[in-house]
This record gives sequence, structure tokens and C-alpha cells, in this order.
Amino acid sequence: DAKTTQPPSMDCAEGRAANLPCNHSTISGNEYVYWYRQIHSQGPQYIIHGLKNNETNEMASLIITEDRKSSTLILPHATLRDTAVYYCIVIGTGSARQLTFGSGTQLTVLP
Amino acid sequence: DTEVTQTPKHLVMGMTNKKSLKCEQHMGHRAMYWYKQKAKKPPELMFVYSYEKLSINESVPSRFSPECPNSSLLNLHLHALQPEDSALYLCASSHGSGTYNEQFFGPGTRLTVL
Repeated sequence: DAKTTQPPSMDCAEGRAANLPCNHSTISGNEYVYWYRQIHSQGPQYIIHGLKNNETNEMASLIITEDRKSSTLILPHATLRDTAVYYCIVIGTGSARQLTFGSGTQLTVLP
Repeated sequence: DTEVTQTPKHLVMGMTNKKSLKCEQHMGHRAMYWYKQKAKKPPELMFVYSYEKLSINESVPSRFSPECPNSSLLNLHLHALQPEDSALYLCASSHGSGTYNEQFFGPGTRLTVL
């Protein structure tokens, strides 16, 4: 599975959009981009995933560049409860695939 | 039910003790995972079970012994642990088939080895 690079930390004002970038320049054609987050001392939580099209769900939007070498997770209206470490993970197809977590981005939402 | 439950929430044990961590899910998932997370570090995979068979062991020391008695349950048996094994132990599950790899995580067991 391809490696990912994320900034170590970001701040965002409450109510504003949080845009979290991820680089995955060695991604293969059949590999998906997954985003998880981990609020302090809790288990990681799945947010969203995509292959090449942009995706949106009730939590977030995922924008993947046309060459698929980078992506951005967007939390449209960040709240204090969105303060967490956000992990971008690239994973191939197939069952029971392990998640290889990188260092992630610590997002702090400020009041 | 979209929950993965883990018991106990906290565990303190001595280096000569034997204890077990338990994980349970009732989502019909056929893949289950153990991860270990040290303070201020990302989770690291330990074991993967697929259809109740051990499919991945990430070179974990034998003092950690996983067991999958049925498709809903996953145990981690602990014996003769070291203080450096103190960590948050996370269990996760996923469908285990097809391309869908969303993993659902439990809250973890915080283990302290004295």
C-alpha cells in the first residue's frame, strides 16, 4: 500500500471549513484513499473513502486530484468536537486488509 | 448494532500474570483485528483474523496469543508481559470480503504492566 504524507498539525476556527491535505504520490490505480480520525483516547473512527471521484457523506467531503497523487478532506463547518488526529490511509482492494497508520494531522478547532 | 465492544476498559497486571482481553461485534463481520497504540503514536497492527483463521501476524512476541473462538468474538491472551507492553489495545472489525475495507474500532483496553 502506498505511503501518505500529512502536515503534523493544523488549526481551524469553529464554524469554518477545515481542509486537511494528504499526499500519496505513489498510489496505484486500484488503491483507495481512506480517512479516519481519532479523538483523544478513543478508537479510530471511519470518516470517508474514495477511489478517484469526489465523495461526500454526512461527516465530510473528499476531494481527490485528477492524477490521484493528493487529496483533501473537508469538514464544512468544524466544531470543537472535531478536534482529533486525522489519518489519511491508502489501501488496496481485497478482503481483511490491514490499515497502516501514518503520523496523521492533529486538527485543533479553536473557539 | 454497529458497535465493537471491548472488555475490560482498563487492566493493570504484573509481569507474571495471565490475563485476557475480549472483543465482540454483532455486525456479521468476518474480519477482526488487533492493534496496539503507544502514547502519542499511531495504532500499529498486531493480528488479523479472516473467517476465524489467523491471516496476518505482524511478528508479535509469543507472550501475546490471539484467539478467535467464533465469528463474533476475538480474544487476546496475555502472559509474562513486560512494562513496555503498556499501551492501548484496539480491536476492529470489517466485512472481510469484497473491496469494502471500512473498519469499525472498539474503544480499546488501556493496559498497564507493572
